[in-house]
Amino acid sequence: AQKITQTQPGMFVQEKEAVTLDCTYDTSDQSYGLFWYKQPSSGEMIFLIYQGSYDEQNATEGRYSLNFQKARKSANLVISASQLGDSAMYFCAGNNRKLIWGLGTSLAVNP
Amino acid sequence: DVKVTQSSRYLVKRTGEKVFLECVQDMDHENMFWYRQDPGLGLRLIYFSYDVKMKEKGDIPEGYSVSREKKERFSLILESASTNQTSMYLCASSLTTGGGEKLFFGSGTQLSVL
Repeated sequence: AQKITQTQPGMFVQEKEAVTLDCTYDTSDQSYGLFWYKQPSSGEMIFLIYQGSYDEQNATEGRYSLNFQKARKSANLVISASQLGDSAMYFCAGNNRKLIWGLGTSLAVNP
Repeated sequence: DVKVTQSSRYLVKRTGEKVFLECVQDMDHENMFWYRQDPGLGLRLIYFSYDVKMKEKGDIPEGYSVSREKKERFSLILESASTNQTSMYLCASSLTTGGGEKLFFGSGTQLSVL
Protein backbone atom coordinates (compact mmCIF):
# COMPACT_ATOMS: atom_id res chain seq x y z
CA ALA A 1 0.00 0.00 0.00
CA GLN A 2 1.10 3.54 -0.63
CA LYS A 3 2.28 5.65 2.25
CA ILE A 4 3.41 9.26 2.50
CA THR A 5 5.57 10.28 5.47
CA GLN A 6 6.32 13.81 6.62
CA THR A 7 8.66 13.57 9.58
CA GLN A 8 8.68 17.25 10.60
CA PRO A 9 5.55 18.26 12.54
CA GLY A 10 6.79 21.85 12.81
CA MET A 11 9.51 23.98 11.26
CA PHE A 12 10.76 27.53 11.79
CA VAL A 13 12.60 29.65 9.26
CA GLN A 14 13.84 33.21 9.20
CA GLU A 15 12.31 35.50 6.63
CA LYS A 16 14.26 35.55 3.33
CA GLU A 17 16.00 32.26 4.07
CA ALA A 18 15.39 28.96 2.29
CA VAL A 19 13.69 26.01 3.94
CA THR A 20 13.33 22.34 3.03
CA LEU A 21 10.26 20.33 4.00
CA ASP A 22 10.74 16.59 3.94
CA CYS A 23 8.53 13.98 2.32
CA THR A 24 9.18 10.30 1.73
CA TYR A 25 6.88 7.97 -0.09
CA ASP A 26 6.48 4.24 -0.18
CA THR A 27 4.97 2.70 -3.27
CA SER A 28 5.48 -0.34 -5.44
CA ASP A 29 3.91 1.40 -8.43
CA GLN A 30 6.15 2.27 -11.34
CA SER A 31 4.09 5.27 -12.36
CA TYR A 32 2.97 7.80 -9.78
CA GLY A 33 2.78 11.50 -9.07
CA LEU A 34 3.81 13.56 -6.06
CA PHE A 35 2.17 16.81 -5.01
CA TRP A 36 2.71 19.54 -2.47
CA TYR A 37 -0.16 21.62 -1.14
CA LYS A 38 -0.24 24.61 1.19
CA GLN A 39 -3.01 25.20 3.70
CA PRO A 40 -3.03 28.65 5.32
CA SER A 41 -5.12 29.38 8.39
CA SER A 42 -8.05 30.27 6.12
CA GLY A 43 -8.43 26.53 5.44
CA GLU A 44 -8.25 26.29 1.67
CA MET A 45 -5.76 23.80 0.22
CA ILE A 46 -3.63 25.43 -2.45
CA PHE A 47 -1.71 23.42 -5.05
CA LEU A 48 1.99 24.30 -5.16
CA ILE A 49 3.92 21.84 -7.29
CA TYR A 50 3.78 18.43 -8.97
CA GLN A 51 6.41 15.84 -9.92
CA GLY A 52 5.74 12.78 -12.05
CA SER A 53 7.75 9.64 -11.45
CA TYR A 54 9.05 9.67 -15.02
CA ASP A 55 9.94 13.36 -15.06
CA GLU A 56 13.67 13.69 -15.46
CA GLN A 57 13.95 17.27 -14.26
CA ASN A 58 13.04 18.43 -10.77
CA ALA A 59 9.86 20.48 -10.86
CA THR A 60 10.02 24.20 -10.13
CA GLU A 61 7.25 26.77 -9.71
CA GLY A 62 8.51 30.22 -8.83
CA ARG A 63 10.02 30.07 -5.32
CA TYR A 64 9.02 26.42 -4.94
CA SER A 65 11.12 23.54 -6.15
CA LEU A 66 10.86 19.83 -5.60
CA ASN A 67 14.01 17.89 -4.75
CA PHE A 68 13.04 14.51 -6.17
CA GLN A 69 15.37 11.61 -5.35
CA LYS A 70 13.84 8.45 -6.73
CA ALA A 71 16.38 6.05 -5.24
CA ARG A 72 15.76 7.46 -1.76
CA LYS A 73 12.01 7.75 -2.39
CA SER A 74 12.02 11.34 -1.27
CA ALA A 75 10.25 14.38 -2.70
CA ASN A 76 11.29 17.32 -0.54
CA LEU A 77 9.84 20.78 -1.05
CA VAL A 78 12.30 23.66 -1.10
CA ILE A 79 10.98 27.17 -0.54
CA SER A 80 13.50 29.84 -1.39
CA ALA A 81 13.50 33.37 0.06
CA SER A 82 10.79 32.67 2.63
CA GLN A 83 8.09 35.27 3.14
CA LEU A 84 5.80 35.86 6.10
CA GLY A 85 2.89 34.71 3.96
CA ASP A 86 4.51 31.29 3.65
CA SER A 87 3.50 30.51 7.24
CA ALA A 88 1.03 27.64 6.83
CA MET A 89 0.59 23.88 6.91
CA TYR A 90 2.26 22.04 4.03
CA PHE A 91 1.07 18.66 2.84
CA CYS A 92 2.79 16.14 0.62
CA ALA A 93 0.54 13.79 -1.33
CA GLY A 94 1.08 10.97 -3.79
CA ASN A 95 -1.09 9.15 -6.27
CA ASN A 96 -1.37 6.44 -8.76
CA ARG A 97 -5.14 6.32 -8.83
CA LYS A 98 -6.11 8.30 -5.73
CA LEU A 99 -4.24 10.69 -3.51
CA ILE A 100 -2.58 9.50 -0.31
CA TRP A 101 -1.72 12.33 2.09
CA GLY A 102 1.00 12.93 4.62
CA LEU A 103 0.14 14.42 8.01
CA GLY A 104 1.63 17.78 7.17
CA THR A 105 4.35 20.13 8.40
CA SER A 106 3.54 23.41 10.08
CA LEU A 107 5.90 26.13 8.85
CA ALA A 108 6.36 29.38 10.73
CA VAL A 109 8.30 32.19 9.09
CA ASN A 110 9.86 34.58 11.58
CA PRO A 111 10.39 38.26 10.72
CA ASP B 1 -9.58 30.63 -12.21
CA VAL B 2 -11.15 27.37 -11.12
CA LYS B 3 -13.58 27.87 -8.32
CA VAL B 4 -14.82 25.24 -5.91
CA THR B 5 -17.50 26.62 -3.62
CA GLN B 6 -18.68 25.02 -0.42
CA SER B 7 -22.01 26.31 0.78
CA SER B 8 -21.08 26.96 4.41
CA ARG B 9 -17.85 27.89 6.15
CA TYR B 10 -19.14 27.02 9.61
CA LEU B 11 -22.05 24.77 10.53
CA VAL B 12 -23.45 23.71 13.90
CA LYS B 13 -25.88 20.80 14.04
CA ARG B 14 -27.42 18.60 16.70
CA THR B 15 -26.91 14.87 17.13
CA GLY B 16 -29.33 12.91 14.96
CA GLU B 17 -29.96 15.67 12.44
CA LYS B 18 -29.65 15.03 8.73
CA VAL B 19 -26.90 17.28 7.37
CA PHE B 20 -26.23 18.32 3.77
CA LEU B 21 -22.86 19.73 2.73
CA GLU B 22 -22.94 21.19 -0.76
CA CYS B 23 -20.07 21.66 -3.16
CA VAL B 24 -20.14 23.28 -6.60
CA GLN B 25 -17.31 23.61 -9.13
CA ASP B 26 -17.36 25.80 -12.21
CA MET B 27 -14.70 24.20 -14.43
CA ASP B 28 -16.52 21.21 -15.88
CA HIS B 29 -14.32 18.78 -13.95
CA GLU B 30 -15.27 15.12 -14.12
CA ASN B 31 -13.88 14.18 -10.73
CA MET B 32 -15.10 15.36 -7.35
CA PHE B 33 -14.04 14.35 -3.87
CA TRP B 34 -15.07 14.74 -0.25
CA TYR B 35 -12.42 14.61 2.47
CA ARG B 36 -12.50 15.15 6.18
CA GLN B 37 -9.53 16.64 7.98
CA ASP B 38 -8.80 16.00 11.65
CA PRO B 39 -5.74 17.04 13.68
CA GLY B 40 -3.15 14.28 13.71
CA LEU B 41 -5.04 12.20 11.16
CA GLY B 42 -4.51 14.28 8.04
CA LEU B 43 -6.93 14.17 5.13
CA ARG B 44 -9.08 11.10 4.75
CA LEU B 45 -11.16 10.38 1.68
CA ILE B 46 -14.86 9.81 2.35
CA TYR B 47 -16.35 9.45 -1.14
CA PHE B 48 -15.45 10.39 -4.68
CA SER B 49 -17.16 10.54 -8.02
CA TYR B 50 -15.76 10.23 -11.53
CA ASP B 51 -18.98 11.06 -13.34
CA VAL B 52 -22.54 12.18 -12.90
CA LYS B 53 -24.63 9.73 -10.87
CA MET B 54 -21.50 7.73 -10.16
CA LYS B 55 -19.94 7.37 -6.72
CA GLU B 56 -17.25 5.30 -5.08
CA LYS B 57 -16.43 4.77 -1.43
CA GLY B 58 -13.23 6.19 -0.10
CA ASP B 59 -11.41 5.14 3.03
CA ILE B 60 -14.02 6.18 5.62
CA PRO B 61 -17.53 6.11 4.05
CA GLU B 62 -19.40 4.85 7.12
CA GLY B 63 -22.07 7.27 8.27
CA TYR B 64 -21.98 9.25 5.02
CA SER B 65 -23.62 9.17 1.62
CA VAL B 66 -23.22 11.35 -1.46
CA SER B 67 -25.21 12.57 -4.39
CA ARG B 68 -24.08 13.76 -7.82
CA GLU B 69 -27.10 14.58 -9.96
CA LYS B 70 -25.29 17.24 -11.98
CA LYS B 71 -21.68 17.37 -13.07
CA GLU B 72 -20.92 20.57 -11.19
CA ARG B 73 -22.46 19.62 -7.85
CA PHE B 74 -21.39 16.99 -5.33
CA SER B 75 -23.27 16.75 -2.05
CA LEU B 76 -22.18 15.01 1.13
CA ILE B 77 -24.96 13.76 3.37
CA LEU B 78 -24.74 12.82 7.01
CA GLU B 79 -27.86 10.73 7.49
CA SER B 80 -27.87 11.04 11.29
CA ALA B 81 -25.13 13.30 12.54
CA SER B 82 -23.04 12.13 15.47
CA THR B 83 -20.48 13.95 17.62
CA ASN B 84 -17.61 11.96 16.08
CA GLN B 85 -18.44 13.59 12.75
CA THR B 86 -17.36 16.97 14.08
CA SER B 87 -14.59 17.84 11.65
CA MET B 88 -13.38 20.03 8.79
CA TYR B 89 -14.87 18.84 5.50
CA LEU B 90 -13.06 19.63 2.27
CA CYS B 91 -14.47 19.27 -1.21
CA ALA B 92 -12.19 19.04 -4.24
CA SER B 93 -12.45 18.60 -7.98
CA SER B 94 -10.03 17.60 -10.72
CA LEU B 95 -9.78 17.01 -14.44
CA THR B 96 -8.75 13.58 -15.66
CA THR B 97 -5.52 14.13 -17.55
CA GLY B 98 -3.96 10.69 -17.53
CA GLY B 99 -1.11 12.05 -15.45
CA GLY B 100 -1.04 13.93 -12.20
CA GLU B 101 -4.55 15.00 -11.34
CA LYS B 102 -4.21 18.35 -9.66
CA LEU B 103 -6.99 18.84 -7.13
CA PHE B 104 -8.71 22.17 -6.63
CA PHE B 105 -10.18 22.61 -3.18
CA GLY B 106 -12.97 24.61 -1.65
CA SER B 107 -12.45 26.65 1.52
CA GLY B 108 -13.80 23.90 3.73
CA THR B 109 -16.76 23.54 6.07
CA GLN B 110 -16.08 23.32 9.78
CA LEU B 111 -18.90 21.16 11.10
CA SER B 112 -19.65 20.92 14.80
CA VAL B 113 -22.15 18.30 15.96
CA LEU B 114 -23.43 18.94 19.47
